[in-house]
Amino acid sequence: EAEVAQSPRYKITEKSQAVAFWCDPISGHATLYWYRQILGQGPELLVQFQDESVVDDSQLPKDRFSAERLKGVDSTLKIQPAELGDSAMYLCASSLTGRNEKLFFGSGTQLSVL
Amino acid sequence: GDSVTQMEGPVTLSEEACLTINCTYTATGYPSLFWYVQYPGEGLQLLLKATKADDKGSNKGFEATYRKETTSFHLEKGSVQVSDSAVYFCALSESGSGNTGKLIFGQGTTLQVKP
Repeated sequence: EAEVAQSPRYKITEKSQAVAFWCDPISGHATLYWYRQILGQGPELLVQFQDESVVDDSQLPKDRFSAERLKGVDSTLKIQPAELGDSAMYLCASSLTGRNEKLFFGSGTQLSVL
Repeated sequence: GDSVTQMEGPVTLSEEACLTINCTYTATGYPSLFWYVQYPGEGLQLLLKATKADDKGSNKGFEATYRKETTSFHLEKGSVQVSDSAVYFCALSESGSGNTGKLIFGQGTTLQVKP
């Protein structure tokens, strides 16, 4: 079965540094999501794309986080500068059309900010 | 806003025991309800779903029934196996014009099954 690819799998960085995460959704999936999962909590949506357009970024801390999906395929999530509280698992998911259907999740990027 | 509340974990059971993980939700409309499972080191996978009241979702021996009157979607399995050890997440997605596919998750419940 096709999978959502994410890299890197783990990232350790120091406070105030910049970090970037990459996601390649399942081929043909128009909708792409970035979720943040803090240890012991459920995933929380950061940003949702429909093709190359942002549909929902209401929970994205825009002073330090940015996300793009320039050609409507793969996506990059950036944090600059990183803060201690950004330590979490960053999950990417995709779905075919984004309408009440199964989401396919990647294995995530575990970020540790020291 | 919409929210999902799950029972606190961890839940520790012996193999072949019965499982119930409670999930209740708050929503303004009629959401679709989901259970996702996360095995160690892996991403979340859809376990089952229900899209309207009284629907029963089922998969791999797990079941959950959409109860509108009690706003609940409890996960059940009659006989758990060691391989069911994982974190289970209850989630909802808005219905109607507000439906963007966005999922709102509960905090997750860790299940550990001992041989």
